[in-house]
Amino acid sequence: GAGVSQSPSNKVTEKGKDVELRCDPISGHTALYWYRQSLGQGLEFLIYFQGNSAPDKSGLPSDRFSAERTGGSVSTLTIQRTQQEDSAVYLCASSLNGDNEQFFGPGTRLTVL
Amino acid sequence: RKEVEQDPGPFNVPEGATVAFNCTYSNSASQSFFWYRQDCRKEPKLLMSVYSSGNEDGRFTAQLNRASQYISLLIRDSKLSDSATYLCVVYYTGTASKLTFGTGTRLQVTL
Repeated sequence: GAGVSQSPSNKVTEKGKDVELRCDPISGHTALYWYRQSLGQGLEFLIYFQGNSAPDKSGLPSDRFSAERTGGSVSTLTIQRTQQEDSAVYLCASSLNGDNEQFFGPGTRLTVL
Repeated sequence: RKEVEQDPGPFNVPEGATVAFNCTYSNSASQSFFWYRQDCRKEPKLLMSVYSSGNEDGRFTAQLNRASQYISLLIRDSKLSDSATYLCVVYYTGTASKLTFGTGTRLQVTL
């Protein structure tokens, strides 16, 4: 079956522009996560959606970052007024429930010039 | 202190060697534990869960020590294809349930 998909795979933008990153989780998975990974670094948790509960936004680094999950499925991560330090690979993962194996998408490589 | 800590390595070992990684976690209420593998420029993938009694999957053995709050991964008879970063992952229910990833230990297996 289809895995987690993310788009775009690569995004190059200019400093100060807004970007939207999309994640399509595995159908039926109630939990969805966003992470980012800078070059040579570990995974940095950003935000977690579980069913209809309020999302856990504790990992968002600033108010320029926001995310939505519509209809309990597709999620969009928005970064406003991008900065060079936002350059990273943004990974989305979904799991059947919050404590199951997470399946990752291929990521979106964001480069802010 | 980080919630999940790992030695970043790299661990450089010859083919056929046995190598072990440790990981420590800070939250004693942690409930579930996993090892993920991440190849270069790829997404992480689940390698194995870690059970209290210890568990084995082929050449891979995972163990959990709750008293000391550490998890280990042992790889026997290393293969070139084992070269990757191994991420220690801990799940706990706090204000919201989520998995916490360590920064990973890099393994390079050489001829």
